[in-house]
Amino acid sequence: DTGVSQDPRHKITKRGQNVTFRCDPISEHNRLYWYRQTLGQGPEFLTYFQNEAQLEKSRLLSDRFSAERPKGSFSTLEIQRTEQGDSAMYLCASSFPRGSRGNNEQFFGPGTRLTVL
Amino acid sequence: AQKITQTQPGMFVQEKEAVTLDCTYDTSDQSYGLFWYKQPSSGEMIFLIYQGSYDEQNATEGRYSLNFQKARKSANLVISASQLGDSAMYFCAMRLIYNQGGKLIFGQGTELSVKP
Repeated sequence: DTGVSQDPRHKITKRGQNVTFRCDPISEHNRLYWYRQTLGQGPEFLTYFQNEAQLEKSRLLSDRFSAERPKGSFSTLEIQRTEQGDSAMYLCASSFPRGSRGNNEQFFGPGTRLTVL
Repeated sequence: AQKITQTQPGMFVQEKEAVTLDCTYDTSDQSYGLFWYKQPSSGEMIFLIYQGSYDEQNATEGRYSLNFQKARKSANLVISASQLGDSAMYFCAMRLIYNQGGKLIFGQGTELSVKP
């Protein structure tokens, strides 16, 4: 399978615990994105990497959230001291750099569904 | 600020009929791209079709076509000959072409149900 993979697919945790998610992008893609999707809503941008550099972070990414992409390959998203409001689907996507038409689509992984009790 | 609006929370269509899903967008940029994604119950977002703001013709991909009306800032998705497997959430999204990050801004989605 050469698509974007995410692990775990589901995570249940208690409030206050730390959690870490992993995303493995399509190997040729140098751009990697994290989005958060709450029930009944569209995905919202969290952060973006080009290779290993984190180039943009949304204001949604509070100081409890941290993302890394060491060596420009897989990425991790960590949430510290989880809160019930963090319950959501966390989606990872990867892409090539944009073309002149901007039509470089983002390929999404299956997501990690987080439930904070 | 950029915004995508999908005003139809849910839509029903009879199998083999065509259906139009509405999308309006708001941006002051002249260069942007519009995407439609499908999200089945499994959760994965599947790319369907793309329209660039400077594209002169409406995009088509198989049974999917995009009705792009730039002056009205609308980018409606038309699915022809609906199939049971088309039942899913559909999201319209926008990206500013010169935004270095290329992040997507999504609408709230439309849930499409195809009836046999």
